[in-house]
Amino acid sequence: DAMVIQNPRYQVTQFGKPVTLSCSQTLNHNVMYWYQQKSSQAPKLLFHYYDKDFNNEADTPDNFQSRRPNTSFCFLDIRSPGLGDAAMYLCATSRGGRTYEQYFGPGTRLTVT
Amino acid sequence: KNQVEQSPQSLIILEGKNCTLQCNYTVSPFSNLRWYKQDTGRGPVSLTIMTFSENTKSNGRYTATLDADTKQSSLHITASQLSDSASYICVVSGRGASGTYKYIFGTGTRLKVLA
Repeated sequence: DAMVIQNPRYQVTQFGKPVTLSCSQTLNHNVMYWYQQKSSQAPKLLFHYYDKDFNNEADTPDNFQSRRPNTSFCFLDIRSPGLGDAAMYLCATSRGGRTYEQYFGPGTRLTVT
Repeated sequence: KNQVEQSPQSLIILEGKNCTLQCNYTVSPFSNLRWYKQDTGRGPVSLTIMTFSENTKSNGRYTATLDADTKQSSLHITASQLSDSASYICVVSGRGASGTYKYIFGTGTRLKVLA
Protein backbone atom coordinates (compact mmCIF):
# COMPACT_ATOMS: atom_id res chain seq x y z
CA ASP A 1 0.00 0.00 0.00
CA ALA A 2 2.99 2.28 -0.54
CA MET A 3 1.78 5.65 -1.78
CA VAL A 4 5.01 7.36 -2.82
CA ILE A 5 7.62 4.97 -4.12
CA GLN A 6 11.23 5.82 -4.83
CA ASN A 7 13.68 3.68 -6.75
CA PRO A 8 16.32 2.75 -6.14
CA ARG A 9 16.61 3.18 -2.37
CA TYR A 10 20.39 3.31 -2.64
CA GLN A 11 22.33 4.49 -5.67
CA VAL A 12 26.06 4.62 -6.18
CA THR A 13 27.43 6.55 -9.13
CA GLN A 14 30.82 7.74 -10.27
CA PHE A 15 31.92 11.33 -10.34
CA GLY A 16 30.59 12.89 -13.55
CA LYS A 17 28.48 9.87 -14.57
CA PRO A 18 24.82 10.80 -15.20
CA VAL A 19 22.29 9.25 -12.87
CA THR A 20 18.48 9.17 -12.77
CA LEU A 21 16.35 8.75 -9.68
CA SER A 22 12.74 7.66 -9.96
CA CYS A 23 9.58 8.52 -8.05
CA SER A 24 6.07 7.20 -8.56
CA GLN A 25 2.83 7.80 -6.70
CA THR A 26 -0.49 6.03 -6.38
CA LEU A 27 -2.29 9.04 -4.86
CA ASN A 28 -3.12 10.79 -8.12
CA HIS A 29 -1.80 14.01 -6.62
CA ASN A 30 -1.30 17.10 -8.78
CA VAL A 31 1.98 18.22 -7.27
CA MET A 32 5.28 16.34 -7.11
CA TYR A 33 8.40 17.68 -5.39
CA TRP A 34 12.07 16.80 -5.31
CA TYR A 35 14.12 17.63 -2.22
CA GLN A 36 17.79 17.21 -1.44
CA GLN A 37 18.66 16.44 2.17
CA LYS A 38 22.22 16.34 3.44
CA SER A 39 23.19 14.88 6.78
CA SER A 40 21.65 16.69 9.78
CA GLN A 41 20.16 19.36 7.52
CA ALA A 42 16.63 20.27 6.55
CA PRO A 43 15.36 19.07 3.18
CA LYS A 44 16.05 21.62 0.45
CA LEU A 45 13.49 21.99 -2.33
CA LEU A 46 15.04 21.58 -5.78
CA PHE A 47 11.90 21.91 -7.93
CA HIS A 48 8.31 20.87 -8.19
CA TYR A 49 5.68 20.11 -10.81
CA TYR A 50 2.12 21.36 -10.51
CA ASP A 51 0.55 19.04 -13.06
CA LYS A 52 2.79 19.65 -16.08
CA ASP A 53 3.99 23.05 -14.95
CA PHE A 54 7.62 22.90 -13.91
CA ASN A 55 8.82 25.23 -11.13
CA ASN A 56 12.54 25.47 -10.53
CA GLU A 57 13.97 26.96 -7.33
CA ALA A 58 16.26 29.88 -8.05
CA ASP A 59 19.29 28.28 -6.41
CA THR A 60 18.93 24.79 -7.91
CA PRO A 61 22.09 24.05 -9.94
CA ASP A 62 21.71 23.51 -13.68
CA ASN A 63 23.20 20.08 -13.12
CA PHE A 64 19.80 18.99 -11.79
CA GLN A 65 16.95 18.38 -14.20
CA SER A 66 13.54 16.80 -13.86
CA ARG A 67 10.93 15.13 -16.02
CA ARG A 68 7.31 14.29 -15.34
CA PRO A 69 6.00 12.20 -18.23
CA ASN A 70 2.63 11.57 -16.58
CA THR A 71 0.75 12.14 -13.31
CA SER A 72 2.24 9.11 -11.62
CA PHE A 73 5.93 9.40 -12.39
CA CYS A 74 8.61 12.00 -11.84
CA PHE A 75 12.34 11.67 -12.47
CA LEU A 76 15.36 13.50 -11.13
CA ASP A 77 18.32 13.59 -13.52
CA ILE A 78 21.75 14.61 -12.28
CA ARG A 79 23.79 15.24 -15.39
CA SER A 80 27.29 15.30 -13.94
CA PRO A 81 27.27 14.35 -10.27
CA GLY A 82 29.92 15.86 -8.06
CA LEU A 83 31.02 14.72 -4.64
CA GLY A 84 28.90 17.49 -3.15
CA ASP A 85 25.76 15.97 -4.63
CA ALA A 86 25.94 12.96 -2.34
CA ALA A 87 22.77 13.20 -0.27
CA MET A 88 19.35 11.74 0.40
CA TYR A 89 16.89 12.69 -2.33
CA LEU A 90 13.28 12.85 -1.23
CA CYS A 91 10.25 12.85 -3.47
CA ALA A 92 6.97 14.19 -2.12
CA THR A 93 3.46 14.71 -3.45
CA SER A 94 0.49 16.82 -2.48
CA ARG A 95 -3.02 17.23 -3.84
CA GLY A 96 -2.57 20.96 -4.15
CA GLY A 97 0.16 23.43 -3.47
CA ARG A 98 -0.82 25.44 -0.43
CA THR A 99 -2.67 24.01 2.52
CA TYR A 100 -2.49 20.43 1.44
CA GLU A 101 -0.37 17.89 3.23
CA GLN A 102 2.81 16.58 1.64
CA TYR A 103 3.40 12.84 1.48
CA PHE A 104 7.05 11.82 1.31
CA GLY A 105 8.65 8.78 -0.21
CA PRO A 106 11.31 6.80 1.63
CA GLY A 107 14.12 8.58 -0.20
CA THR A 108 17.06 7.52 -2.35
CA ARG A 109 20.49 7.70 -0.77
CA LEU A 110 22.96 8.78 -3.46
CA THR A 111 26.68 8.08 -3.06
CA VAL A 112 29.19 9.61 -5.49
CA THR A 113 32.58 7.91 -5.75
CA LYS B 1 13.43 36.63 5.88
CA ASN B 2 11.19 33.59 6.30
CA GLN B 3 12.79 31.25 8.80
CA VAL B 4 11.90 28.30 11.00
CA GLU B 5 14.02 27.61 14.07
CA GLN B 6 13.75 24.53 16.23
CA SER B 7 15.04 23.80 19.70
CA PRO B 8 16.68 21.92 21.16
CA GLN B 9 18.90 20.58 18.37
CA SER B 10 19.04 17.23 20.14
CA LEU B 11 17.44 15.67 23.17
CA ILE B 12 17.95 12.46 25.14
CA ILE B 13 15.22 11.17 27.44
CA LEU B 14 14.37 7.96 29.24
CA GLU B 15 11.60 5.71 28.01
CA GLY B 16 8.27 6.62 29.56
CA LYS B 17 9.14 10.28 30.10
CA ASN B 18 7.44 13.21 28.41
CA CYS B 19 9.19 15.85 26.34
CA THR B 20 8.40 19.05 24.47
CA LEU B 21 10.02 20.28 21.28
CA GLN B 22 9.88 23.91 20.20
CA CYS B 23 9.45 25.63 16.85
CA ASN B 24 9.63 29.40 16.31
CA TYR B 25 8.99 30.91 12.92
CA THR B 26 9.10 34.25 11.18
CA VAL B 27 7.19 33.15 8.10
CA SER B 28 4.67 35.70 6.93
CA PRO B 29 2.02 35.49 5.72
CA PHE B 30 1.38 32.22 7.44
CA SER B 31 -0.72 29.43 5.96
CA ASN B 32 -0.15 26.34 8.06
CA LEU B 33 2.35 24.52 10.25
CA ARG B 34 3.19 20.84 10.16
CA TRP B 35 5.20 18.53 12.34
CA TYR B 36 6.93 15.56 10.74
CA LYS B 37 8.74 12.56 12.21
CA GLN B 38 11.74 11.36 10.22
CA ASP B 39 13.39 8.08 11.09
CA THR B 40 17.05 7.76 10.14
CA GLY B 41 17.38 6.98 6.44
CA ARG B 42 13.65 7.36 5.78
CA GLY B 43 11.35 10.04 4.42
CA PRO B 44 9.42 12.34 6.79
CA VAL B 45 6.00 11.19 7.96
CA SER B 46 3.34 13.73 8.88
CA LEU B 47 2.22 13.91 12.52
CA THR B 48 0.01 17.02 12.59
CA ILE B 49 -0.99 19.98 10.45
CA MET B 50 -2.49 23.17 11.88
CA THR B 51 -3.89 26.27 10.25
CA PHE B 52 -4.01 29.79 11.66
CA SER B 53 -7.23 29.23 13.60
CA GLU B 54 -6.17 26.02 15.32
CA ASN B 55 -4.18 26.12 18.54
CA THR B 56 -3.90 22.45 19.43
CA LYS B 57 -4.06 19.14 17.62
CA SER B 58 -3.37 15.62 18.82
CA ASN B 59 -2.28 12.44 17.11
CA GLY B 60 -2.06 9.65 19.66
CA ARG B 61 0.75 10.46 22.07
CA TYR B 62 1.74 13.51 20.03
CA THR B 63 0.13 16.87 20.78
CA ALA B 64 1.03 19.99 18.83
CA THR B 65 0.20 23.54 19.90
CA LEU B 66 0.27 26.72 17.89
CA ASP B 67 0.33 30.34 19.00
CA ALA B 68 -0.01 32.35 15.80
CA ASP B 69 0.40 35.65 17.70
CA THR B 70 3.84 34.81 19.06
CA LYS B 71 4.65 32.56 16.06
CA GLN B 72 5.52 29.61 18.20
CA SER B 73 4.61 25.96 18.10
CA SER B 74 5.44 23.03 20.30
CA LEU B 75 5.22 19.27 19.94
CA HIS B 76 4.62 17.38 23.17
CA ILE B 77 5.34 13.66 23.30
CA THR B 78 3.70 11.77 26.14
CA ALA B 79 5.01 8.52 27.66
CA SER B 80 7.87 8.24 25.18
CA GLN B 81 8.75 4.93 23.57
CA LEU B 82 11.97 3.67 22.03
CA SER B 83 10.33 3.95 18.62
CA ASP B 84 9.97 7.71 19.14
CA SER B 85 13.72 8.04 18.52
CA ALA B 86 13.86 10.11 15.34
CA SER B 87 14.21 13.64 14.02
CA TYR B 88 11.17 15.87 14.38
CA ILE B 89 10.85 18.53 11.74
CA CYS B 90 8.67 21.64 11.86
CA VAL B 91 7.54 22.92 8.45
CA VAL B 92 5.74 26.21 7.90
CA SER B 93 3.90 27.09 4.72
CA GLY B 94 4.17 30.72 3.68
CA ARG B 95 4.21 32.91 0.64
CA GLY B 96 7.56 33.36 -1.05
CA ALA B 97 8.85 36.46 -2.81
CA SER B 98 7.34 35.33 -6.12
CA GLY B 99 3.89 35.09 -4.56
CA THR B 100 3.79 31.33 -4.61
CA TYR B 101 3.49 29.37 -1.40
CA LYS B 102 6.52 27.54 -0.14
CA TYR B 103 7.23 25.01 2.53
CA ILE B 104 9.95 26.26 4.87
CA PHE B 105 11.66 23.55 6.85
CA GLY B 106 13.29 23.75 10.26
CA THR B 107 16.51 21.81 10.77
CA GLY B 108 14.81 19.44 13.18
CA THR B 109 15.24 18.16 16.71
CA ARG B 110 16.97 14.82 17.01
CA LEU B 111 15.31 12.82 19.81
CA LYS B 112 16.88 9.76 21.38
CA VAL B 113 14.82 7.66 23.79
CA LEU B 114 16.81 5.35 26.04
CA ALA B 115 15.58 2.19 27.76
